[in-house]
Parts: sequence; structure tokens; C-alpha cells
Amino acid sequence: AQSVSQHNHHVILSEAASLELGCNYSYGGTVNLFWYVQYPGQHLQLLLKYFSGDPLVKGIKGFEAEFIKSKFSFNLRKPSVQWSDTAEYFCAAVPWGGNKLVFGAGTILRVKS
Amino acid sequence: GAVVSQHPSRVICKSGTSVKIECRSLDFQATTMFWYRQFPKKSLMLMATSNEGSKATYEQGVEKDKFLINHASLTLSTLTVTSAHPEDSSFYICSARDRAGESDNEQFFGPGTRLTVL
Repeated sequence: AQSVSQHNHHVILSEAASLELGCNYSYGGTVNLFWYVQYPGQHLQLLLKYFSGDPLVKGIKGFEAEFIKSKFSFNLRKPSVQWSDTAEYFCAAVPWGGNKLVFGAGTILRVKS
Repeated sequence: GAVVSQHPSRVICKSGTSVKIECRSLDFQATTMFWYRQFPKKSLMLMATSNEGSKATYEQGVEKDKFLINHASLTLSTLTVTSAHPEDSSFYICSARDRAGESDNEQFFGPGTRLTVL
């Protein structure tokens, strides 16, 4: 079955530390990839998305992700996290031509001030 | 940006009663809406895909007679949990795809509805 894996379930960082959250997907063909964020008490919001073209995608709030096709990966990065980045982060994928998002299990990030 | 609302945000009901949850796209038309269930400390599980003017498509293991979905217009989909039981207690989230950008698979999410069945 098609799946999305997020390797880190809980991450704790100090402010200004660099962040990298892993995401791998199992689709064999062309795929659209997303990172969503859910701040405490709020709804899911799109951070960034990859459809085609430049594999390095820049999103909101200084986040970026790199699509590496050979590794089936779409890791999320931020050079310097802030306390306000404390949230749960979800990686999601949908095969080209499909419409069902498959979510990873999520990663809870806590940034210590 | 595209906004999706859900109503109610929280509902507590007695076992055996039915509960209706509304999902609305406020500033765009949505041919397709999705209903998810989020368990504590787990990811979102797709329950069904709701298509305007046609029957919903349910995921494997989701009882269509228990979770009734109606997508009567391009801005409204409803999920009715019939004869609710305590095990139906969960966080239900809807999302919608903008009809104008359907080649783009982005979904816009509602704030969710916390259902507690006593």
C-alpha cells in the first residue's frame, strides 16, 4: 500500500537550532508532495508543496524542503527555528492524477526558548 | 487565502443519537471535499471523498451507513454520525479542493470538530 513515513515523532530543539524533519514516500511514479503544519489549537495549514521543476521548494516562514527522487524523500528544513515554530508537522503525498492525500504520522516539534 | 469552516467546533452527545457536522468553503467553490478522522497522537485518516451532486466514496473499513455524507452544493458538505457510540469520539476534519485549481492537488483544511459521545 502507498504510504508516507515520518521518522521523527517528537523533536525538541532550542531556539536558533537548525531543523530537519524526514519524510519518505512509497509511490513509484510521479507524485505531488506537501508539508502541512498544525499549530496548537489551530487547523492544518500548508507550509509548502512540490509538483515539478526545482526540487528545492521554499515555503512560508523560512521553511524549505528538498525532493530527492532517488531516495523517495521530501525532507523539511529550517536553518534557525523560533519558539513560534512549536507545532505538529505533517508530510503528505498524492500520486499524479489522484486526489487522495496520504499523510505521515506527524512530527511534534517543541522549540525551547 | 481559501478558507474552510466547520460547525460545530465541539459537540457532546449521548450514545445512540446522531450528530451532523457541516463543512463550508467560504470563498471558493469545491467540487470535491474530504472527511478525515484524527486519532490522538496519530495522523489523519481519510474517511471519504465527497463529490458535489454524487455519492461519496468511502475508504475501506468506513461504514457508509454510519457516516452519512451529503455534498449538496459547491460550498457545503455534511457528515452525519448516526447512532453515535463512545468509540466514535474523535476529531473530525474536513478539507476542500478549489474547483478553479483542481489540477493542483492542494487541499484547504477546516478547523476540525471535536466529537465526544457519552
